[in-house]
Amino acid sequence: GENVEQHPSTLSVQEGDSAVIKCTYSDSASNYFPWYKQELGKRPQLIIDIRSNVGEKKDQRIAVTLNKTAKHFSLHITETQPEDSAVYFCAATANSGYSTLTFGKGTMLLVSP
Amino acid sequence: NAGVTQTPKFQVLKTGQSMTLQCAQDMNHNSMYWYRQDPGMGLRLIYYSASEGTTDKGEVPNGYNVSRLNKREFSLRLESAAPSQTSVYFCASRLMNTEAFFGQGTRLTVV
Repeated sequence: GENVEQHPSTLSVQEGDSAVIKCTYSDSASNYFPWYKQELGKRPQLIIDIRSNVGEKKDQRIAVTLNKTAKHFSLHITETQPEDSAVYFCAATANSGYSTLTFGKGTMLLVSP
Repeated sequence: NAGVTQTPKFQVLKTGQSMTLQCAQDMNHNSMYWYRQDPGMGLRLIYYSASEGTTDKGEVPNGYNVSRLNKREFSLRLESAAPSQTSVYFCASRLMNTEAFFGQGTRLTVV
């Protein structure tokens, strides 16, 4: 089955700095890579996703890059704000009716004012 | 459009008691999932149902059973709760290879 590794487990930055979270996956059949943000006591919610036919995707201050050859993908947050503080999860899944969505262990991002 | 609805939100059980967590989605999704979330462990898959009528084990299925009652509903049952099952449980649903939507979670404590 798929295995997703995520680093770092915690990340502390100053407001305005950039933050980068990295993930690797094991299954070369995986072709959909979502990122979720989970605020304290809340459910995970999608913030951005990327498919394997795209190398980079941006949405305002967040971007995701994908390197299929190396089997890794990264989340980039620029101009961080205190409200970006949360746990971020990466995930991977293959385009199969029986494929599951496998998550990394999460990164706690702390943005200090 | 309520999305994914999960009940209950909180539950305290004594060791050995049983309970069923309910999950329903109104987005006509084929796939439904049950995850548990523990500190430092991320979201670990317990069971999933790729489509109505099918269920499969995930990473941590021991001590749990599931039922895909129909396309909308997917329940998780603990037959004999153990303290190791203290966790936050999330139900999720999605169409194949698209975004997963999560329920609000169930915080379960087994004493």
